[in-house]
Amino acid sequence: GAGVSQSPRYKVAKRGQDVALRCDPISGHVSLFWYQQALGQGPEFLTYFQNEAQLDKSGLPSDRFFAERPEGSVSTLKIQRTQQEDSAVYLCASSYTGFAEAFFGQGTRLTVV
Amino acid sequence: GQQVMQIPQYQHVQEGEDFTTYCNSSTTLSNIQWYKQRPGGHPVFLIQLVKSGEVKKQKRLTFQFGEAKKNSSLHITATQTTDVGTYFCAATNFGNEKLTFGTGTRLTIIP
Repeated sequence: GAGVSQSPRYKVAKRGQDVALRCDPISGHVSLFWYQQALGQGPEFLTYFQNEAQLDKSGLPSDRFFAERPEGSVSTLKIQRTQQEDSAVYLCASSYTGFAEAFFGQGTRLTVV
Repeated sequence: GQQVMQIPQYQHVQEGEDFTTYCNSSTTLSNIQWYKQRPGGHPVFLIQLVKSGEVKKQKRLTFQFGEAKKNSSLHITATQTTDVGTYFCAATNFGNEKLTFGTGTRLTIIP
């Protein structure tokens, strides 16, 4: 595809429900990043992958958050037992290599009710 | 962990006035990138600075990387309504691809 694609664009989850957010990076991009952006705040780093290897997951808020990229392309961010504080926009970005410009998807807006 | 601070948090300017946002880090940075995020949109890459003291220009935008590679600035000359949005710096440390975003400066333009 022409850009980074994220789905769904919007997700409403009941508190306690599990959710899965998908990211399709630009073809050939080695690095993939997940960010969480609360309203009026900057993107907060969650985790990043180099191909299928998860090199840094220091930003994941709790063990309820899990990310994978099993074949080095599509990535999924899973949140178990969602809480209201998980409500935010989740942004995915990919880059050709590390330290190169990052291309962002449109994000998934998660609302936990 | 690495923290990247930006000032000011908000800036309101009359159309045609200049605008500057500053980005500061307590650690030496490998490189710094600047992004623009329009209201309701996603961050869009503007530029990357790598070298100490580097200055780059894009039309009315001028980007600088400090000599010590701990700070950076973005200056917009003669702002236009299309410049509205939040400007973020984002930085990486040596040997680590983790891209850390600054707190952002939200620019609004008074026509």
